[in-house]
Amino acid sequence: GAVVSQHPSRVICKSGTSVKIECRSLDFQATTMFWYRQFPKQSLMLMATSNEGSKATYEQGVEKDKFLINHASLTLSTLTVTSAHPEDSSFYICSAGGLPSGGYTFGSGTRLTVV
Amino acid sequence: GESVGLHLPTLSVQEGDNSIINCAYSNSASDYFIWYKQESGKGPQFIIDIRSNMDKRQGQRVTVLLNKTVKHLSLQIAATQPGDSAVYFCAENVGNQFYFGTGTSLTVIP
Repeated sequence: GAVVSQHPSRVICKSGTSVKIECRSLDFQATTMFWYRQFPKQSLMLMATSNEGSKATYEQGVEKDKFLINHASLTLSTLTVTSAHPEDSSFYICSAGGLPSGGYTFGSGTRLTVV
Repeated sequence: GESVGLHLPTLSVQEGDNSIINCAYSNSASDYFIWYKQESGKGPQFIIDIRSNMDKRQGQRVTVLLNKTVKHLSLQIAATQPGDSAVYFCAENVGNQFYFGTGTSLTVIP
């Protein structure tokens, strides 16, 4: 149980375009999902907390108008990188609750490359 | 965000030896910690967790130790195998959010 599916796994886009990443909880309802960003050889950095039916809470320094998060249902949260630039190239990972102990399950991540 | 760091960024061990990965955290109010394993290009995988009312928890070949006095967490892997080679992160629960340490890259030498 507690499977989180993230798509796409890899995406290459042109500078200035927008990219949407989906995160789905397959066998449980996730009232809260988290979005992380990870640069090579670095740790995961929390970008925002997504609550179903309400606005996301962004961490300090994360532009909410650039990284649009939508959590319209209990099983789906999306992250849209708007007007992407090469510096947005990174590994984006979502997570959602579901482990019996209270921990969180992670998606497999999305490798975004902006050219 | 919170500060969660690791003492050693890289660790190499011989196959069959035990591995110890350390983590320091900063928020004394944190009540829940998780160790994750991340293989290259993949999302983190849950290994083991521990709550602040415990000092030690054991899983299959892994043990987590928590020292709240010095705010230190460690992950012990017994009989390390090549498949254990990965980056290991500790994560600290703060206000229902998890903040990650910098990560330790474990390399197992056959």
